[in-house]
Amino acid sequence: SQTIHQWPATLVQPVGSPLSLECTVEGTSNPNLYWYRQAAGRGLQLLFYSVGIGQISSEVPQNLSASRPQDRQFILSSKKLLLSDSGFYLCAWTTGTNQYFGAGTRLSVL
Amino acid sequence: AQSVTQPDIHITVSEGASLELRCNYSYGATPYLFWYVQSPGQGLQLLLKYFSGDTLVQGIKGFEAEFKRSQSSFNLRKPSVHWSDAAEYFCAVGASGGGADGLTFGKGTHLIIQP
Repeated sequence: SQTIHQWPATLVQPVGSPLSLECTVEGTSNPNLYWYRQAAGRGLQLLFYSVGIGQISSEVPQNLSASRPQDRQFILSSKKLLLSDSGFYLCAWTTGTNQYFGAGTRLSVL
Repeated sequence: AQSVTQPDIHITVSEGASLELRCNYSYGATPYLFWYVQSPGQGLQLLLKYFSGDTLVQGIKGFEAEFKRSQSSFNLRKPSVHWSDAAEYFCAVGASGGGADGLTFGKGTHLIIQP
């Protein structure tokens, strides 16, 4: 069966520090992969999606970037975190009709 | 552009009572519609989805939703809620179950269950 791993679960980082969140999918190949952010009191906002290795589409201009170095690995990064980057980050994947989500990473930038 | 509106930010329901969570969408073509549930600190779990066919869809945990094209709505219902149903509920619309473009989510409805 397919599973999605996302880590770390919780992260506290100072303003200006770098960020790297990783997401991996098991049990499937060539999935579409997504990063969403859920800010306090808001819904989910699609940040990036990828349809293949090295292919990244950005939905919202921001302080973040994404990379897909392997078929089932999706990484969210930042060189310098801002206070506004705080939120709950969710990785998701799909190979067809359903979209499945990881457990999320709660990022607090202080 | 597609959008999803969940007009109720918070809803409080007594345990055992019926529930209806509202969702309205705006989409230029035939929508693919979803309801997800998020427990505190957790990721999202798919409750149910509508692609085509019968407009009343059944999901997990006793939930159902009805697609009404004329009203651009996809409301979620449950005949009798349990305390474990307390969570955040998100309605979402997409082109093809997510496809390559991802889903557009509403801002969510926080469900509180009173004993």
